[in-house]
Amino acid sequence: DSGVTQTPKHLITATGQRVTLRCSPRSGDLSVYWYQQSLDQGLQFLIQYYNGEERAKGNILERFSAQQFPDLHSELNLSSLELGDSALYFCASSVGRGAGDEQFFGPGTRLTVL
Amino acid sequence: AQKVTQAQTEISVVEKEDVTLDCVYETRDTTYYLFWYKQPPSGELVFLIRRNSFDEQNEISGRYSWNFQKSTSSFNFTITASQVVDSAVYFCALSEFTRLGLGGATNKLIFGTGTLLAVQP
Repeated sequence: DSGVTQTPKHLITATGQRVTLRCSPRSGDLSVYWYQQSLDQGLQFLIQYYNGEERAKGNILERFSAQQFPDLHSELNLSSLELGDSALYFCASSVGRGAGDEQFFGPGTRLTVL
Repeated sequence: AQKVTQAQTEISVVEKEDVTLDCVYETRDTTYYLFWYKQPPSGELVFLIRRNSFDEQNEISGRYSWNFQKSTSSFNFTITASQVVDSAVYFCALSEFTRLGLGGATNKLIFGTGTLLAVQP
């Protein structure tokens, strides 16, 4: 158990819908990262937050948005869902933002868009 | 551009065989970190090792060992006497500390495509 929690574990929805994925980082970790794992694109970095502020964006679609709240939990919002958004979404956390900081991954949320 | 290449898509071995998973990376930075993660069939990502660019010493942890060679930009992973429980997808990843404006920084992980290891009993 990494100490990072993600809810829900599974999510099945229809095209055009909007969903919210939630992540609670390990106690004391200030950085939260979101990654997407799909068959087409592999494991890709989406976005990083550090202590409530957005730090970096990767290959994140405009239909997707995220935020980190004062209690440091984070939410990833996916809207106008398409079939291609079906993937495993991971949240990770680290103590800081140094390149050597180990990122601890949550169990992931498997999103299926029908 | 940063890139991680895992050329082996799938490897199948019989239990007790040794197996090496290859990882080649590209980066222009002199300071960077390399990681290996394991993803068993259950789906979670499990951290295995971290190595910084200034430490080329090989590391051994039980049946696992890692060979880091900057000259060839490789960070290979060997499992000795493989077991069925080693069956998983293994990812190599690169982390660069990218300094942003206004004092910010990011350390996103760039993953390879993974190697599926199947250990047959």
